[in-house]
Amino acid sequence: SQQGEEDPQALSIQEGENATMNCSYKTSINNLQWYRQNSGRGLVHLILIRSNEREKHSGRLRVTLDTSKKSSSLLITASRAADTASYFCATGSNFGNEKLTFGTGTRLTIIP
Amino acid sequence: DAGITQSPRHKVTETGTPVTLRCHQTENHRYMYWYRQDPGHGLRLIHYSYGVKDTDKGEVSDGYSVSRSKTEDFLLTLESATSSQTSVYFCAISGWGQGLYEQYFGPGTRLTVT
Repeated sequence: SQQGEEDPQALSIQEGENATMNCSYKTSINNLQWYRQNSGRGLVHLILIRSNEREKHSGRLRVTLDTSKKSSSLLITASRAADTASYFCATGSNFGNEKLTFGTGTRLTIIP
Repeated sequence: DAGITQSPRHKVTETGTPVTLRCHQTENHRYMYWYRQDPGHGLRLIHYSYGVKDTDKGEVSDGYSVSRSKTEDFLLTLESATSSQTSVYFCAISGWGQGLYEQYFGPGTRLTVT
């Protein structure tokens, strides 16, 4: 079963706008990670946030984590055509965080 | 792709035949993983390895076996391929960084079982 569920499943926005996607999970976690997948390629790690952190930034990416609500959000600011991809959240549990459980992903399309 | 290769990249095989997929890394990472990716299911863990000759099952391990005789190689075998195993298979690796495990993925193998 999937630990993470992303919302929305698909998102289309104009280039330059901000994109927000959400992830909900079910059990306690050690950390939560976001990955990007371009069509036909492997996943690429974007950012990791620990369970005791609330917000983290990396370039145009901002991730928040609310462990009380078991949810996370990924914000991409000033979107570019190259951001078109699928985005997945993945959680590492407290009982062996060498394994990750992935969600089903959000398909983001940036319209030039 | 962080020094990870997968072979073959594409394969078409018939139901009932054995198939072996290979993952090779040059990063000397301890952990290696096999996932399958299907529409609507995201990535699901098949098996993973935490060292040479040390492996464990994942969420969807039925019909699959793995072996790791060297740090750099992790093999996934479908003993008798079925049409339900048509999928894209990804290998991933991770090491130890501040007690957390970021994973790095290979390019994938597209397997079609006819």
